[in-house]
Amino acid sequence: AQSVTQLDSHVSVSEGTPVLLSCNYSSSYSPSLFWYVQHPNKGLQLLLKYTSAATLVKGINGFEAEFKKSETSFHLTKPSAHMSDAAEYFCVVTPDYGGATNKLIFGTGTLLAVQP
Amino acid sequence: DAGVTQSPTHLIKTRGQHVTLRCSPISGHKSVSWYQQVLGQGPQFIFQYYEKEERGRGNFPDRFSARQFPNYSSELNVNALLLGDSALYLCASSLAGTGYNEQFFGPGTRLTVL
Repeated sequence: AQSVTQLDSHVSVSEGTPVLLSCNYSSSYSPSLFWYVQHPNKGLQLLLKYTSAATLVKGINGFEAEFKKSETSFHLTKPSAHMSDAAEYFCVVTPDYGGATNKLIFGTGTLLAVQP
Repeated sequence: DAGVTQSPTHLIKTRGQHVTLRCSPISGHKSVSWYQQVLGQGPQFIFQYYEKEERGRGNFPDRFSARQFPNYSSELNVNALLLGDSALYLCASSLAGTGYNEQFFGPGTRLTVL
């Protein structure tokens, strides 16, 4: 079965410093991976996705993630945090990319706090 | 363009009652999925419908059911509510039903069961 693990439930950074949110996946085959962001009282928004093309994926708002098969990781990074980045971030895997369903499997989430 | 809309925004029910949650997808989207997000956890997949047919079902009891209408809107029904059903219920729509298509999420319905 496929799954994702986000070990950090909370991460706090200062504005202007780098952001690193960790994600490790478990999959019996090459997975399709996503990062979603959830701002308070707003819907989930797709940040970026990896679908077996380039291993370094660039997303919206300056975020990027690198797929590392040897480490089974898909960590999310941003060079410089902004106050508006404060939100909850979910690492997500889909077990059936290109198949008949679009079921998403979410990690437990990481709450990012940005200090002024 | 309007995004995914859900109603109601908030709902309070008591144990044993029934609840119906509604979702309107983005215009032109034919697939709707439902997720349950318990406080402090990631969303869990409940159902997916595409062209009014069930495409996928998560590990939820038969008390949970859903349907999709000819206009592609959808309802999620939960019978015999339990305290543990208290959660944020999210609806997502996409153009088609496969994983290639980006899913767009609504703001959710917050259900509280007392």
